Amino acid sequence: GEKVEQHESTLSVREGDSAVINCTYTDTASSYFPWYKQEAGKSLHFVIDIRSNVDRKQSQRLTVLLDKKAKRFSLHITATQPEDSAIYFCAAATSSGQKLVFGQGTILKVYL
Amino acid sequence: GALVYQYPRRTICKSGTSMRMECQAVGFQATSVAWYRQSPQKTFELIALSTVNSAIKYEQNFTQEKFPISHPNLSFSSMTVLNAYLEDRGLYLCGARDSGNTGQLYFGEGSKLTVL
Repeated sequence: GEKVEQHESTLSVREGDSAVINCTYTDTASSYFPWYKQEAGKSLHFVIDIRSNVDRKQSQRLTVLLDKKAKRFSLHITATQPEDSAIYFCAAATSSGQKLVFGQGTILKVYL
Repeated sequence: GALVYQYPRRTICKSGTSMRMECQAVGFQATSVAWYRQSPQKTFELIALSTVNSAIKYEQNFTQEKFPISHPNLSFSSMTVLNAYLEDRGLYLCGARDSGNTGQLYFGEGSKLTVL
């Protein structure tokens, strides 16, 4: 079955700098890649997603890149703010989007 | 907008007892509901995927006998953790998929289970 690896377990950046979180997946059938954010003691909040028909998607300070050949996708956050601090989870699913397989999570800390 | 209400938010139960959690989709029709568990310090594991008018599919290591699920209509699903023990503690999430959307799961706030 699908396995999703999230490479950075912890990431610390200074406020205003950029943060990049990388994920790889194993199943070539995966075509839907969402990102979620979990703040302390809370549930998952949808951040951004990308589908395999594009290799880049941007929403304000967030950009997701997808490299299907390498089976790799990444989340780029520019101009980081303290409120960006949270655990970020990447996930992958096939086209039906029915079953999400999550990465292990990356703790992002934005310090002043 | 689409919302998913999940309750209870927290439950503390004695070892060997059961806990039922409910998931309500508001503002959209949830044709499928996925139940996940996040054990302490871990990522989210899929327990089962429930699609209306189809059999519920359980992942390896999870069974209907332990985690019975009901999904009677397009706005409601429930799951019970039977005979809960220490290894069952964690945050249980329901994720509901909008029939009109193209894949995005809307998650509830989660039900945190503590087993004493």
